[in-house]
Amino acid sequence: NAGVTQTPKFQVLKTGQSMTLQCAQDMNHEYMSWYRQDPGMGLRLIHYSVGAGITDQGEVPNGYNVSRSTTEDFPLRLLSAAPSQTSVYFCASSFVGGQGGLNSPLHFGNGTRLTVT
Amino acid sequence: KNEVEQSPQNLTAQEGEFITINCSYSVGISALHWLQQHPGGGIVSLFMLSSGKKKHGRLIATINIQEKHSSLHITASHPRDSAVYICALAFKPQLIWGAGTKLIIKP
Repeated sequence: NAGVTQTPKFQVLKTGQSMTLQCAQDMNHEYMSWYRQDPGMGLRLIHYSVGAGITDQGEVPNGYNVSRSTTEDFPLRLLSAAPSQTSVYFCASSFVGGQGGLNSPLHFGNGTRLTVT
Repeated sequence: KNEVEQSPQNLTAQEGEFITINCSYSVGISALHWLQQHPGGGIVSLFMLSSGKKKHGRLIATINIQEKHSSLHITASHPRDSAVYICALAFKPQLIWGAGTKLIIKP
C-alpha cells in the first residue's frame, strides 16, 4: 500500500505560470482534500471531494481548480501562480461514514513545498 | 465564537513528564481526530475517537461526548515527542481544526 502519494515534493514557479500538483491514493477513499499551510500557521482547506465527479470549495479556493475523475486521483491546478500561493500543500484522504462524517482515520501525503517568485 | 478550543497553545516540559493536551468543542460531531506534525514534517494521524478511550504505546486519547471534551495524554514524554499536536472535529464531510499545541520536551 502506497497510501497517499503527492508529487512533486518541491516546485519553484515564476509568477503567472501554471502547474498541477498531483495526489493519488490507493485505499479506495471517498474523501480527498487539499490544504495549504503557511509558515507558523495551521491548515486551510482549499478544495475537497467526497467521490468521483463531486468537488466543493473550502476556505481558500481562489486561484485553484480541482477535478475528481477517478476515486484514486485528485489533482490541484494553479491557474496563474502568484507569490501569495507560496506555501506547503498537503493532500489528505479518508473514508466517509454512513452519515457523511469523516469518522475514519485521516491519511496525509508528505506535502509539496511550492515557491512562487 | 470558536467551535473548537485547544489548550495549551504552547507547552514545554522535561523528559519523563506526563503531558496533557485538551480540546473542547461546541458543535455536534461524528468523531474527533488527534494528529501530530513534526517541525518541517508531514502530518500523522494519531487517533480517531467517537467515544471512550484509545491507547497506542505511550499515547492515550479520551473523549467525553456529553461534555464535548477530549484529551491527549503522553506518558513518559521523550524529546522525540516534540511536535505540534492538533485536534480536528469531524463535522459532516469537513474538518474543523484546532489551533494546535506546540510541545517541546527537553532532555
